[in-house]
Amino acid sequence: QKEVEQNSGPLSVPEGAIASLNCTYSDRGSQSFFWYRQYSGKSPELIMFIYSNGDKEDGRFTAQLNKASQYVSLLIRDSQPSDSATYLCAVRGGGYNKLIFGAGTRLAVHP
Amino acid sequence: GAVVSQHPSWVICKSGTSVKIECRSLDFQATTMFWYRQFPKQSLMLMATSNEGSKATYEQGVEKDKFLINHASLTLSTLTVTSAHPEDSSFYICSALWTGAGPGNTIYFGEGSWLTVV
Repeated sequence: QKEVEQNSGPLSVPEGAIASLNCTYSDRGSQSFFWYRQYSGKSPELIMFIYSNGDKEDGRFTAQLNKASQYVSLLIRDSQPSDSATYLCAVRGGGYNKLIFGAGTRLAVHP
Repeated sequence: GAVVSQHPSWVICKSGTSVKIECRSLDFQATTMFWYRQFPKQSLMLMATSNEGSKATYEQGVEKDKFLINHASLTLSTLTVTSAHPEDSSFYICSALWTGAGPGNTIYFGEGSWLTVV
């Protein structure tokens, strides 16, 4: 079992719709959860992070964390073609600083 | 967010030569930096954790004598690919750990460096 799992996609959504990206992790001791966006040929950029169970909203983005289910998700409201990218879920456990990345989900927003 | 800068963005070198990539945290001090490698259409692969003032910690399967990491100051880490071969051609990305105010630590990425070995 991979430590951080994501559906590779592509996830295709129409412009203006809600895109839902999911991620599961295996280490119950994980404490910090991150979503990065990576455009083709570019380095990842941080979208948001979440530490506590529940929802965290930032503009069109909402991160959701359920530690009991070892599940973290990212919702993108009013999806735009410019949101088309690979979204990486990353997890950091207690006691260490390095991030464990999922393989990423490719999102395609079509007009 | 915090700014991490990498240089060069693109580099082409001849097989057998060495190439150095720099990673700088521009507006914060980073005691810990990370080096990743990413092949086309693949995920990020952590190569090593760079700790200021001490030896880097390499991930399993990464040759420490080939990928030399130096973290001599709180704002600079360097990755030197020694005796480069075409199979080392890849996208190398650094990141730095920001330990500023807030509930936890956050990692920010540099822009990445494309290495082509011919």
